[in-house]
Amino acid sequence: AQSVTQLGSHVSVSEGALVLLRCNYSSSVPPYLFWYVQYPNQGLQLLLKYTSAATLVKGINGFEAEFKKSETSFHLTKPSAHMSDAAEYFCAVSKGNTPLVFGKGTRLSVIA
Amino acid sequence: KAGVTQTPRYLIKTRGQQVTLSCSPISGHRSVSWYQQTPGQGLQFLFEYFSETQRNKGNFPGRFSGRQFSNSRSEMNVSTLELGDSALYLCASSPGTSGNKETQYFGPGTRLLVL
Repeated sequence: AQSVTQLGSHVSVSEGALVLLRCNYSSSVPPYLFWYVQYPNQGLQLLLKYTSAATLVKGINGFEAEFKKSETSFHLTKPSAHMSDAAEYFCAVSKGNTPLVFGKGTRLSVIA
Repeated sequence: KAGVTQTPRYLIKTRGQQVTLSCSPISGHRSVSWYQQTPGQGLQFLFEYFSETQRNKGNFPGRFSGRQFSNSRSEMNVSTLELGDSALYLCASSPGTSGNKETQYFGPGTRLLVL
């Protein structure tokens, strides 16, 4: 069965610093990979997704992620954190006809 | 286009009662999926409906059920509520025709508290 591991349940960065949120997946074949963001009292919003096209995927709000098959990783990055980036971030994987499997989430705090 | 809407947004029930939650997908979307979100278990898939048929099912007891109507609106029902059913229930819709690479669009959720 496929699974997703997000390293670090809570990440704290200073405003203007690099954001790096880690996601590793386990899958026997290259899956589809997604990053979603959840703001308090809201649903999930798609940031970006990998669907076997370009390995470097650019998303909304300046986020991007790189699919690395050799490392089974899909880490999310943003060069410069903004206060409005404070939220919970979820990595998710799917393949075939199986539904989305989400990681446990990483809460990002941005310090002024 | 209007987004995914869920009603009600908040709900308080007592153990043993049953509850019905509603989800209206984005216009034109035929797939509706339901997820349960709790601090301990995270986001867990409940089921997916497509064209009024359950297409996928997660690992939840039979107390959790759902249905989809001809206009793609979906309801989920939880019978004999338990304290552990307290959670945020999220609904997501997608066109449903391009497999799992499709983006799922989430509603704001229904927060259920069972006392």
